Amino acid sequence: DTGVSQNPRHKITKRGQNVTFRCDPISEHNRLYWYRQTLGQGPEFLTYFQNEAQLEKSRLLSDRFSAERPKGSFSTLEIQRTEQGDSAMYLCASSFEGGLYFGPGTRLTVT
Amino acid sequence: GESVGLHLPTLSVQEGDNSIINCAYSNSASDYFIWYKQESGKGPQFIIDIRSNMDKRQGQRVTVLLNKTVKHLSLQIAATQPGDSAVYFCAESPTGANSKLTFGKGITLSVRP
Repeated sequence: DTGVSQNPRHKITKRGQNVTFRCDPISEHNRLYWYRQTLGQGPEFLTYFQNEAQLEKSRLLSDRFSAERPKGSFSTLEIQRTEQGDSAMYLCASSFEGGLYFGPGTRLTVT
Repeated sequence: GESVGLHLPTLSVQEGDNSIINCAYSNSASDYFIWYKQESGKGPQFIIDIRSNMDKRQGQRVTVLLNKTVKHLSLQIAATQPGDSAVYFCAESPTGANSKLTFGKGITLSVRP
């Protein structure tokens, strides 16, 4: 499978814990995006990278959120001190010259 | 601020009929538009895109129409099949294809057998 992959697919955590998600983009895609989606809503932009550089962060991305793409390939999204409001589907997408191609997402449930 | 929205939350069609899903956008600077299909528990799946220098683009069983005058986008699905049942999102970008997208809320397409 040469599409975007995300791990884990599901994560259940207790409030206050830290979680980290991983995204592996399509090979040679230079841009990588993180989105968040809650039930019944469209995906909301969080941040994106061009190669290893983080070029834009949404105001939705609080200080508890951090994303990295150290070698310009895979990316990680970490949420520190999780809150119940962080429960959502976290989607990763990548692109090169065309539109964004999304992964299957990581569903986070904060209890 | 700019937004992308859909006129109707749900659409029910008979199998075999054509479906039309409509979307309005408010950012007149948008120059790239894309439709996604999302099935339950999955990420959005690319369907078709169109750039602002076009007003129509056809794919396999799907056609996207763009009316920049009224800032309206539509997705037409020919001979709708049960496998087309999903949530459909339109999205737009003012900075081209290889850039972040702003999504609308989504419309559920339900295909009756």
